[in-house]
Amino acid sequence: EPEVTQTPSHQVTQMGQEVILRCVPISNHLYFYWYRQILGQKVEFLVSFYNNEISEKSEIFDDQFSVERPDGSNFTLKIRSTKLEDSAMYFCASSEGLAGVYQETQYFGPGTRLLVL
Amino acid sequence: DAKTTQPTSMDCAEGRAANLPCNHSTISGNEYVYWYRQIHSQGPQYIIHGLKNNETNEMASLIITEDRKSSTLILPHATLRDTAVYYCIVRPTSGTYKYIFGTGTRLKVLA
Repeated sequence: EPEVTQTPSHQVTQMGQEVILRCVPISNHLYFYWYRQILGQKVEFLVSFYNNEISEKSEIFDDQFSVERPDGSNFTLKIRSTKLEDSAMYFCASSEGLAGVYQETQYFGPGTRLLVL
Repeated sequence: DAKTTQPTSMDCAEGRAANLPCNHSTISGNEYVYWYRQIHSQGPQYIIHGLKNNETNEMASLIITEDRKSSTLILPHATLRDTAVYYCIVRPTSGTYKYIFGTGTRLKVLA
């Protein structure tokens, strides 16, 4: 069964450093997402991405964050200058991306645990 | 904020049916009900979704009341591996692709 994969599974970084979290969405999917979950809190939406553009983003997704589809398979989340409060699980998700179908099912990856020291 | 209300936690005996309720009294006619679960801190796993009719798949059944103000996820024969946090999410059919997660129900399946 196709699945979303994410690398690395764990990342430890120093405050102020840049990190790039990588995701490989399901191969025929066109819509991609990032969510995060701070320990003990809810899963929160960060951003959605379609046709090489951000289609929607939350208030959390400020100028420190960026997303990119550098090639035909990867989808990345970059945090330019990490803060302590960026420590969280980051989940990538993908959906088919059928035109106008908002109720598509999103399939989530296993997550990257980011720890900022 | 999430448009759903779920009990914080539930226990279920192994082999018995687990019935997880969800209230979504402000649901609109074009909004779907989705269920996901999260085992430990893994990524949310899709279970099932529906609009107004009851749905069944290999994992679970979804029963939606006629007024659509509530629903129940049924795991017919719970196993220890079903221990997880279960999320009920109401999604519109237009305007946004994002999921808004609530706090979910922590289901513990007991041996």
